[in-house]
Amino acid sequence: KNQVEQSPQSLIILEGKNCTLQCNYTVSPFSNLRWYKQDTGRGPVSLTIMTFSENTKSNGRYTATLDADTKQSSLHITASQLSDSASYICVVRVSGGYNKLIFGAGTRLAVHP
Amino acid sequence: DTGVSQNPRHKITKRGQNVTFRCDPISEHNRLYWYRQTLGQGPEFLTYFQNEAQLEKSRLLSDRFSAERPKGSFSTLEIQRTEQGDSAMYLCASSLVPTSGANTGELFFGEGSRLTVL
Repeated sequence: KNQVEQSPQSLIILEGKNCTLQCNYTVSPFSNLRWYKQDTGRGPVSLTIMTFSENTKSNGRYTATLDADTKQSSLHITASQLSDSASYICVVRVSGGYNKLIFGAGTRLAVHP
Repeated sequence: DTGVSQNPRHKITKRGQNVTFRCDPISEHNRLYWYRQTLGQGPEFLTYFQNEAQLEKSRLLSDRFSAERPKGSFSTLEIQRTEQGDSAMYLCASSLVPTSGANTGELFFGEGSRLTVL
């Protein structure tokens, strides 16, 4: 069964600190993996897309890693800001077909001053 | 604003009533998707359109749900005889699938329509 699991479920950190969110997936055949940021009551916004051959990709203070062998990805946030408070959703695309996406439940991040 | 637009943003209705949500995708995007998201969960796929053709429907899309994209542009999602379990955020997303070349499948989401069924 295609699944995406994220940990932790929720996380509280202080402003300025770093954090790492985890994503494990059992999706086959694999096409790509994305991380989305979703503010409360808003739609998800893409942060990164990583293909099978990419190990790391950065977008400002966000750095995503992918280990296709162990089927794990992480999202590292550096020097957190209050505006980073949101849910971070890991999404894996199934290769072929209509762009079928398997969504994780998300990690709810709260950045406190 | 050239992003995905959804209306209404919030809808409160009584059980048994019908509701309709509208999605206006990014203008040149040929694919349009509907998802449902409940609190603390990731979005769940409902259905998608390639231009005006509805090509895939999830088992989640019961007989009370119907979606259309009559001219291949905007889409509507109607829920008939709403139930309390229908309370959720309904998200629309669109993407451009090129006729040739790589398809990254990048989805652009709207802000969602939050439904509350009393």
